[in-house]
Amino acid sequence: QSVLTQPPSVSGAPGQRVTISCTGTSSNIGTGFDVHWYQQLPGASPKLLIYGNTNRPSGVPDRFSGSKSATSASLAITGLQAEDEADYYCQSYDDRLGAYVFGTGTKVTVL
Amino acid sequence: EVRLVESGGGLVQPGGSLRLSCGVSGFTFRTSWMQWVRQGPGKGLEWVSRINSDGSGTSYADSVKGRFTISRDNAQNTLFLQMSSLTVEDTAVYYCGREWDCSKGRCFTEWIDPWGQGTLVTVSS
Repeated sequence: QSVLTQPPSVSGAPGQRVTISCTGTSSNIGTGFDVHWYQQLPGASPKLLIYGNTNRPSGVPDRFSGSKSATSASLAITGLQAEDEADYYCQSYDDRLGAYVFGTGTKVTVL
Repeated sequence: EVRLVESGGGLVQPGGSLRLSCGVSGFTFRTSWMQWVRQGPGKGLEWVSRINSDGSGTSYADSVKGRFTISRDNAQNTLFLQMSSLTVEDTAVYYCGREWDCSKGRCFTEWIDPWGQGTLVTVSS
């Protein structure tokens, strides 16, 4: 079961900024566990986009940025491009479940 | 080039068993922790299992505990997932991935990078 809640979909025109929220609880993000983000293009396997709340791996454009607050995290995409159409997932750890947990996933549509 | 290639998926009847493999190249497998994650058809990602570098430590999602066994052969650079008592709810694409906890001198809650291309397991009569 997904214990991290994301909006099912977000959309924006090319060049716009969109944000994806990832809402957790006191047993995961609220405890201090870090949040990571993955991008899954259609028909492809997930790819790491952000690790450790705010860090971009080499090769990831700086249009992608992450942030974290008390019990939630966000992924922002600025200067939206057609190639950003994909599903996006947040991930953390839940100490009540004793398991790694993923968000429910958000589909980004470029209008 | 870092590569993870899953194999062993296929069609299996409910109650049956299957063994997945994940062949690794391009990084030092014997010192790497590894994970399995699955994705049901049209669904989101679900963590399945994790194993430490020498295979002495494992953990599982509640949904597979007691039915799935993760293991590794460091001499063959291969990760395994033995699945038994399969149900239709186990139908999914199964991905293997390398686990990280530190980068550039900073450590965080573990994450997965890279991921393999996945292998499809279909449980159906």
